[in-house]
Amino acid sequence: ETGVTQTPRHLVMGMTNKKSLKCEQHLGHNAMYWYKQSAKKPLELMFVYSLEERVENNSVPSRFSPECPNSSHLFLHLHTLQPEDSALYLCASSQGTSYYEQYFGPGTRLTVT
Amino acid sequence: KNQVEQSPQSLIILEGKNCTLQCNYTVSPFSNLRWYKQDTGRGPVSLTIMTFSENTKSNGRYTATLDADTKQSSLHITASQLSDSASYICVVGWLDTGFQKLVFGTGTRLLVSP
Repeated sequence: ETGVTQTPRHLVMGMTNKKSLKCEQHLGHNAMYWYKQSAKKPLELMFVYSLEERVENNSVPSRFSPECPNSSHLFLHLHTLQPEDSALYLCASSQGTSYYEQYFGPGTRLTVT
Repeated sequence: KNQVEQSPQSLIILEGKNCTLQCNYTVSPFSNLRWYKQDTGRGPVSLTIMTFSENTKSNGRYTATLDADTKQSSLHITASQLSDSASYICVVGWLDTGFQKLVFGTGTRLLVSP
């Protein structure tokens, strides 16, 4: 295990539902990330938090809403998603946002019906 | 445009054999190059990370090389095992005003057959 946990591991939701993904890191890191991984596409960075402040938002639709209440926890709130949002959502953490190794969680497999 | 291209897209080898995966990049300014292993349905796990001044780095049976002049890297797997079956992702980092950004390749899917 990498020290980064994600729940739930699998999620099926309808387009009108509201759900949240949770990430927790036990590594004492101060930067956390959300990535989206779709089939046959490279990982796409969605959001970056450093010291609980959002420092990067890669033109992500507003139906994805991140929240970082403290340096150990990161949430991704989902509402009115589209079928094309079905993907593996990965959380990662690192000691800082410059040259530091990123440690990934196991991901949440999201299916939007 | 910053890009990372990997080849082959997929590869099947027999258990015990060696293989080499390729990565070409056009990322600038270059900071570091990483190789990750990703098992199906899991998050990526780091194998190696190399900076500009390093041209080879090993992690057990995995050896990565970097040629910063030609912007190419390779990952060599020796004496493959069934557990090596996974996707291998090449990732290049670059610094943008002190903030590191990563450019990911689409990965090479390796299947080690008994």
